[in-house]
This record gives sequence, structure tokens and C-alpha cells, in this order.
Amino acid sequence: SQQGEEDPQALSIQEGENATMNCSYKTSINNLQWYRQNSGRGLVHLILIRSNEREKHSGRLRVTLDTSKKSSSLLITASRAADTASYFCATRETSGSRLTFGEGTQLTVNP
Amino acid sequence: KAGVTQTPRYLIKTRGQQVTLSCSPISGHRSVSWYQQTPGQGLQFLFEYFSETQRNKGNFPGRFSGRQFSNSRSEMNVSTLELGDSALYLCASSLAGGHEQYFGPGTRLTVT
Repeated sequence: SQQGEEDPQALSIQEGENATMNCSYKTSINNLQWYRQNSGRGLVHLILIRSNEREKHSGRLRVTLDTSKKSSSLLITASRAADTASYFCATRETSGSRLTFGEGTQLTVNP
Repeated sequence: KAGVTQTPRYLIKTRGQQVTLSCSPISGHRSVSWYQQTPGQGLQFLFEYFSETQRNKGNFPGRFSGRQFSNSRSEMNVSTLELGDSALYLCASSLAGGHEQYFGPGTRLTVT
């Protein structure tokens, strides 16, 4: 079963706007990661945030983590058509090394 | 560094047959994980291998098996194929598991 639930399932915005995706999870985690997948291809790692971190930035990406609410958000600023993809959060539990993926958010950025 | 490679990229099999998929991780990576991705179930964890040992296993029947060789290359095997096994099978490697994973392009398996 999936550890995470992502919200929204689908998001459609205009180029230049910001996109925010949310992820909730159920168990204690060691870290939370975000990945991008273009149209049925392999996933690309975007960013990793550890359980003792609250916010992390990488280029146009900003990730927050609230362990008390067991939730994370991914913000993509100044979106581009090339950002169109599915975005997945993945959690690593404290008790093991496996990653458990959420159901994903399909982001469409219209030019 | 070369990325993760998976072979074959596409495969069509008939119900009841078996199939073997191959994954070559990034050089130096010792952890290899396998995932099944379908429209209905999303990304489901199959198993993880580290230094030739299966370290984690997902909730899949025994028809799904895997192994890892001393050079960290991994194979997964599915026996007695069912229609529901049609999926994109993704392999990912990482230095130690649980850290950022590098995915291959996947093998698209169609069972008819």
C-alpha cells in the first residue's frame, strides 16, 4: 500500500505561475524525497529533505517538511512548460532503507 | 558516469510464460531497488538488493523474484505471467539504499 497521499492529483497552471503540491504520510520517517517523471519514463530525483530539516531550496524548487503533521509540500516557482510531468513524494522510514512512493501529482504547465 | 541501464526496454509475453529483466546500476552503487508501476496501483516497491542480499521485499507473490550479482547488476524474474503483470518495471540504484535513487528508463512489459 502507498505510504503517501498527494494532493492535488492533477494541477493545471499557466507558464510563469507557481505550482504547489502536497504530500502526507503515515509513519515516522528518516527523510522525504521528491521525484519527477516525464510521461512513463524513469523518475528523476529532485530534492531530499531530512526529518530534522524544515525547509530546503534547490533552484526554483522549495520543499517544506512538517513532521508533526506528517506532511510536505513542493513549490515550483515561475513554472515553465518543460515542468509538465508527474511529481512523486517518497518517504524513507526510520526503521529501514526502502522508499515508499505516493500516488503522484500530474502537473500541466500551459504555455 | 553512465546512468542506470535496463534491458530490454520493451517486451511482449504471453500468459503463463516467464520473463527476466536486467538492470545495471551506476558504477559504485551497491543498492538496487525494483518497482512496478501501473496506472491503477501506482509505484509499488518490489524488492531491494544490497551487496547481493535481498534487504527488503514488497507485497508481491512468490512469482516475483530477483537477485544481485557481485558486480551489483541485478535481475528480476517473473514466472507464470498474468495479464495483471503488464506494467512499467523500474530499477533504481543508490549508494546505500534509502538515499536519493537514480532510476533507469524502465522496461515496459505487456502480457497478452
